[in-house]
Amino acid sequence: DIQMTQSPSSLSASTGDRVTITCRASQGISNNLVWFQQKPGKAPKSLIYGASTLQSGVPSKFSGSGSGTDFTLTISSLQPEDFATYYCLQYKSYPLTFGPGTKVDIK
Amino acid sequence: EVQVLEAGGDLVQPGGSLRLSCAASGFTFSSNAMSWVRQAPEKGLEWVSSISGSGDSTSYADSVKGRFTISRDNSKNSLYLQMNSLRAEDTAVYYCAKVVGAPPAWGQGTLVTVSS
Repeated sequence: DIQMTQSPSSLSASTGDRVTITCRASQGISNNLVWFQQKPGKAPKSLIYGASTLQSGVPSKFSGSGSGTDFTLTISSLQPEDFATYYCLQYKSYPLTFGPGTKVDIK
Repeated sequence: EVQVLEAGGDLVQPGGSLRLSCAASGFTFSSNAMSWVRQAPEKGLEWVSSISGSGDSTSYADSVKGRFTISRDNSKNSLYLQMNSLRAEDTAVYYCAKVVGAPPAWGQGTLVTVSS
């Protein structure tokens, strides 16, 4: 099975900050990675797929990069609505596996 | 607009059964693998099962293998999850999702509670 790790597990940031979250796969997954945002009590919302393709309707402040085993999600200027938990998911092979999540809260 | 909508969540006793359904629209359903993903209270996301677009191929998490069955009806653009021998640890919000293949899409989830 492919293991996914994320760092940091949580971070505190201020409005306007640039935030970077890292996801690492235990083996190469090419670009078969999705980034999700989830707010408490809500369904996950896809932000980025194919490691770097912005989902339709998602603001361009979100960007993704990476291929192989190392991936990053960047939020260029954090806004109040961005405080949430972010997950990565690999869909290179079954079982599909999620990262444990990164909680972004207000400093 | 791509939409997926789950239904069927309920309170069920340990050892009981439940069938979840998911209605999809806005994309060519039969061309896309579909998945079920769950989230236990205060926990992260866990993949449960996936099925190919044709329905010929299925995959399951070890935690549900032998108890859950995924299926689909492409004539109705619908996905199903038959859950048998339910356990307390199956308590979760279950999401229908198109995560293999672009772009991803998620439903709003349906709550399954296993308790006596």
